[in-house]
Amino acid sequence: GAGVSQSPSNKVTEKGKDVELRCDPISGHTALYWYRQSLGQGLEFLIYFQGNSAPDKSGLPSDRFSAERTGGSVSTLTIQRTQQEDSAVYLCASSSRFTLTGSYEQYFGPGTRLTVT
Amino acid sequence: GDSVTQMEGPVTLSEEAFLTINCTYTATGYPSLFWYVQYPGEGLQLLLKATKADDKGSNKGFEATYRKETTSFHLEKGSVQVSDSAVYFCALNVDSSASKIIFGSGTRLSIRP
Repeated sequence: GAGVSQSPSNKVTEKGKDVELRCDPISGHTALYWYRQSLGQGLEFLIYFQGNSAPDKSGLPSDRFSAERTGGSVSTLTIQRTQQEDSAVYLCASSSRFTLTGSYEQYFGPGTRLTVT
Repeated sequence: GDSVTQMEGPVTLSEEAFLTINCTYTATGYPSLFWYVQYPGEGLQLLLKATKADDKGSNKGFEATYRKETTSFHLEKGSVQVSDSAVYFCALNVDSSASKIIFGSGTRLSIRP
């Protein structure tokens, strides 16, 4: 079965340009998450979707960052006017509820490595 | 706020040594606890989990027990292998809900043959 997929796998962009990162969750997973992993740092939560709505956007670092999800499936993270500090690996995860435990397990994609020059 | 603190790395051990990576947490409510692993060049994957106090998660010879009294979830393995070299992240998810996972900063483990 297909896991979470992300594209592109690598993106190099010039400072000031806009970029779009795509995430395809596991089919049927209602929850989708974006995280950022910067060099030498841990994983930082960005935003969470339940269906097409985003109950928690608390991790978006600035108004240059936005995300949307359509059809309860694919999500796009957009970074406008990129800065060098945006360079990181952007990870997407999706989850569904375990029927036995009632807890959620998040499955991660391979990530998009963004480099801003 | 909710947080996870884990042992700083890097940790270097010889093959067949005993491994402990310490992890403690602060959380309101009743979190689920996780260990994730990131092998070189690969994505993040769940290693094991525990959803309530005194549960023991185990996988691939690794174990961790959810200790509510000490707010800890230490990762252990009796005999490590070179293939266990990776970065290990302790994490929590509050109230087992479909909400964000809060990660520790990660511990890089290197195993010498």
